[in-house]
Amino acid sequence: GESVGLHLPTLSVQEGDNSIINCAYSNSASDYFIWYKQESGKGPQFIIDIRSNMDKRQGQRVTVLLNKTVKHLSLQIAATQPGDSAVYFCAENKPNDYKLSFGAGTTVTVRA
Amino acid sequence: KAGVTQTPRYLIKTRGQQVTLSCSPISGHRSVSWYQQTPGQGLQFLFEYFSETQRNKGNFPGRFSGRQFSNSRSEMNVSTLELGDSALYLCASSPVSGRARQETQYFGPGTRLLVL
Repeated sequence: GESVGLHLPTLSVQEGDNSIINCAYSNSASDYFIWYKQESGKGPQFIIDIRSNMDKRQGQRVTVLLNKTVKHLSLQIAATQPGDSAVYFCAENKPNDYKLSFGAGTTVTVRA
Repeated sequence: KAGVTQTPRYLIKTRGQQVTLSCSPISGHRSVSWYQQTPGQGLQFLFEYFSETQRNKGNFPGRFSGRQFSNSRSEMNVSTLELGDSALYLCASSPVSGRARQETQYFGPGTRLLVL
């Protein structure tokens, strides 16, 4: 079936290092992607999005890269902080589709 | 501006019972979407309501239903609960409906339902 998935379920990062979270998607028709962050006890929080006509988009300390050739999405977090510890989801959306398809999530733990 | 609120935050029910969850969207938001989150299936879309009308529906059985009131508050009902219904139920509000809401939806903290 068509789904969005993350390469690794967990990621441990040293505080101050850069984090890279990966996501593979299988539906080449998807044209919109979002990264969400979910902290313990909270709902998902929008981090950054990217459309398929772009291959890179930057936000505050975060960068999303999209490689449509290999259907790969990544989220880079610069200078990872303890507050970045959370579960990160990617989600995809196809044209004319009313819903997002979410990946399983990567749990990021920041070591002091 | 207050965020999305969901009540109750935690709930324990037994098989066969029914449950009603409530979601109050951000002021001015007319779209409310419901999602089920489980460790095995991740986040899955249940349905969306906009201006008291169900606009979109995911692939869930008819035991899952919802409604929206004129003040945009929404309720979700699950009848004849099964063990597999144990999950975190999230609602998200947006000022717009349909695909455009993806960029502008804000999630609540969820209601954690445990079915015994």
